[in-house]
Amino acid sequence: QITLRESGPTLVKPAQTLTLTCTFSGFSLTTRGVGVGWIRQPPGKALEWLALIYWDDDKRYSPFLNNRLTITKDTSKNQVILTMTNIDPMDTATYYCAQRRGAGRFDPWGQGTLVTVSS
Amino acid sequence: QSVLTQPPSASGTPGQRVTFSCSGSSSNIGSNFVNWYQQLPGTAPKVLIYTTDQRPSGVPDRFSGSKSGTSASLAISGLQSEDEADYYCAAWDDSLNGVVFGGGTRLTVL
Repeated sequence: QITLRESGPTLVKPAQTLTLTCTFSGFSLTTRGVGVGWIRQPPGKALEWLALIYWDDDKRYSPFLNNRLTITKDTSKNQVILTMTNIDPMDTATYYCAQRRGAGRFDPWGQGTLVTVSS
Repeated sequence: QSVLTQPPSASGTPGQRVTFSCSGSSSNIGSNFVNWYQQLPGTAPKVLIYTTDQRPSGVPDRFSGSKSGTSASLAISGLQSEDEADYYCAAWDDSLNGVVFGGGTRLTVL
């Protein structure tokens, strides 16, 4: 069974750096073709893709986040870490990680973690 | 504003067939597979349709997907009350070099 779980701070101050961790089980990020992505959802709004990392360390980022994102993986811990700099209240959202599978689908998803940006 | 365009809402009565549209461009839907996600209230999204028209195991055949040109569609037949949810389309965008989502369609079962 594949599971993913997001963890990180629930409250962040503006201008700080947000670090989120996705801890997964049931698959390995050393397996060819496997990836993990981050997606966020502001309260009451739509899903927004943030970043992807693949088994070969290929990384992709949303062009709409102005180079604020860094995604890394720790295969020994089965973790993917997302860092977002210069946090703003508009970054308040539920952040999800999900496995990136064949044909590009995100499946399954973690339960999500709500991050609130406020001073 | 989302790259893929979806109507914000849809509704139907039990047993009815409803369809959702997802409009994109040649760099996303026009040249790549489309995936559809269902998000029940208060839960994480789950994949409903992948590779434009494939259902994961466990998804009823009441759900179907299709694509024509730069638009995709999700159809639900035999509508049930438990289908009340938000539905999102997504695709890879070759120009943006990333994943793009639609703004989502909220389905209300009357």
